[in-house]
Formats: sequence, structure tokens, C-alpha cells
Amino acid sequence: AQSVTQPDIHITVSEGASLELRCNYSYGATPYLFWYVQSPGQGLQLLLKYFSGDTLVQGIKGFEAEFKRSQSSFNLRKPSVHWSDAAEYFCAVGARDYKLSFGAGTTVTVRA
Amino acid sequence: GAVVSQHPSWVICKSGTSVKIECRSLDFQATTMFWYRQFPKQSLMLMATSNEGSKATYEQGVEKDKFLINHASLTLSTLTVTSAHPEDSSFYICISWGDRVLEAFFGQGTRLTVV
Repeated sequence: AQSVTQPDIHITVSEGASLELRCNYSYGATPYLFWYVQSPGQGLQLLLKYFSGDTLVQGIKGFEAEFKRSQSSFNLRKPSVHWSDAAEYFCAVGARDYKLSFGAGTTVTVRA
Repeated sequence: GAVVSQHPSWVICKSGTSVKIECRSLDFQATTMFWYRQFPKQSLMLMATSNEGSKATYEQGVEKDKFLINHASLTLSTLTVTSAHPEDSSFYICISWGDRVLEAFFGQGTRLTVV
């Protein structure tokens, strides 16, 4: 079965600074990879996804992620964070049976 | 685009009562619906997989008699939390994959509070 690790539980970043959230996965084949964002008390919103093709994926809100097969990673990046980016971020991996496994999440705090 | 409509978005119920959560797929046929639960400050955990017209498959540790899942049509799957207790208070969310586009569609989630 697939699994996901998000090593960073909490990240604090200054507004305007860059952000990188780490995600490592375990799966025997090429996975479906996702990043979701959840604001307090809200549902999950898809930021971006990778299924195949170009390993650098562009998403919404200025986010991008890079799939690195050799490192089993799918790290999320944003060049300049905004205060509204403060939220919980989840990485997820999907297998061919379409079950999604989610990481534990990374809480992002943005300081002024 | 494809949407999964989940209802209710939040519910408060008394301990011992049952609560039904509905997920409807709009504009696509949801052959399979995945039900997840998220406890506060935790990640989403798969509870069960429902397939239209057949019995749901439950993950280890999830009581099938407590969390009744019905997937009677290609557009509707329901999760009923029976005899709810405070420890069942959680955020429940359904996820389905599109039948024409390879993408996971999320319901809006249901925040259940049992008092």
C-alpha cells in the first residue's frame, strides 16, 4: 500500500518569503500525486496534481510542485507567500485503485 | 465541471441518535465513492470504499455496523453514523473520481458534533 510522509509539522514563514513544503511517498509504481490546502474549518481545495508528463507542475495561487522519482518526492513551492496562504497543506498519493493516502499535513503560519 | 455535493455541511446531534450524510455526484457517474474521516489536528483517514450496487469495503478498525454505507445509484452514496457518540465527532468527507477525467473530486465535508 502507498504511504505519504510530510516531515514538517509546522512551518513559519515571513510574508513575501519563499515557501517549500516537503512530501515523500512510498509506492511501487508511478503514483498520482496531489497537494491540497485546507483553511481552518473548511474543506480541502486542490492546489495541483501530477499524473504523468512534465515533472514540474503548476497549480493555483502561484504554487508549483516538482515530482522527483529518484527521491520519491513531490515538494510544493511558492516563491512569495501571502498572509492568505496560512493554512494546513496535505500531500496525497493515489494508487491505481484510486484510494488516496494523505500525509499528516503541514501547518503554515505566515508572519507579517 | 464535475462536482461532488455533500450534505449537510455541519450537524450537531445528541448522543445515541443517527446521522445520515449524503454525497451526490453532479455531472458524472460516481461508480466508487471513498469515505474519509478527519479528527481535529489530524490527517484524513480512509474509512471505507463504496461501490454502486455492492457492499462497501471497510478499512481495518472501522465498524461496519456503526458506519452504514449505501451506494444505491451512480450518483448517490450515503454514510449513516448510527448511535453516534461524542468520539464520533469528526470531519467526514467523500471523494470520488471522475468517469471522463482522471481527477479526484471532493465533497465539501460534513462536520459532525455529537453532544
